[in-house]
Amino acid sequence: SQQGEEDPQALSIQEGENATMNCSYKTSINNLQWYRQNSGRGLVHLILIRSNEREKHSGRLRVTLDTSKKSSSLLITASRAADTASYFCATDRNTGNQFYFGTGTSLTVIP
Amino acid sequence: NAGVTQTPKFQVLKTGQSMTLQCAQDMNHNSMYWYRQDPGMGLRLIYYSASEGTTDKGEVPNGYNVSRLNKREFSLRLESAAPSQTSVYFCASMRGHFYSNQPQHFGDGTRLSIL
Repeated sequence: SQQGEEDPQALSIQEGENATMNCSYKTSINNLQWYRQNSGRGLVHLILIRSNEREKHSGRLRVTLDTSKKSSSLLITASRAADTASYFCATDRNTGNQFYFGTGTSLTVIP
Repeated sequence: NAGVTQTPKFQVLKTGQSMTLQCAQDMNHNSMYWYRQDPGMGLRLIYYSASEGTTDKGEVPNGYNVSRLNKREFSLRLESAAPSQTSVYFCASMRGHFYSNQPQHFGDGTRLSIL
């Protein structure tokens, strides 16, 4: 079963706007990661946030983690057409050696 | 650096045929993973190898076998392909052990169709 679920499934915005996508998960975690996937390509790691962190920044990316609500959000500021991709969250379950990926948010940035 | 290289990029099989998907990484990573990606399902773990010489089942291992040939290479074998195994297969590697808070590095995938 899927550990993470992204919301919304699809998002379309104008270039320059901010994009926010959310991830919810079911069990306790050690860390949560966000990945980007361009069409026809593999996943590329964006940012990792540990369970004892609440917010993390990397360039135009801002990730928050609320372990009490078992949720995370990814904010992309000042979006560009090149940000058009699918975005996935991935979690471990704090036990075992497996990462669990959500179903992804498809982001379209219109020039 | 090439990173994670998967071969082939595309393959069409008939039901019952067998084939091996190849994966190699040049980053000296310890852990390697095989996932499948289906529409609306996200990525699901098939098998993983936490270190050279070890392999373990993931979420959806039925119908697959793996071999960790050496530290660089991790192959996935379909012994008797079924239409339900039509998917995009991704190999990934990670530098440290599972709790080392390291990212996974992915190849560009193998698109497999089984008729």
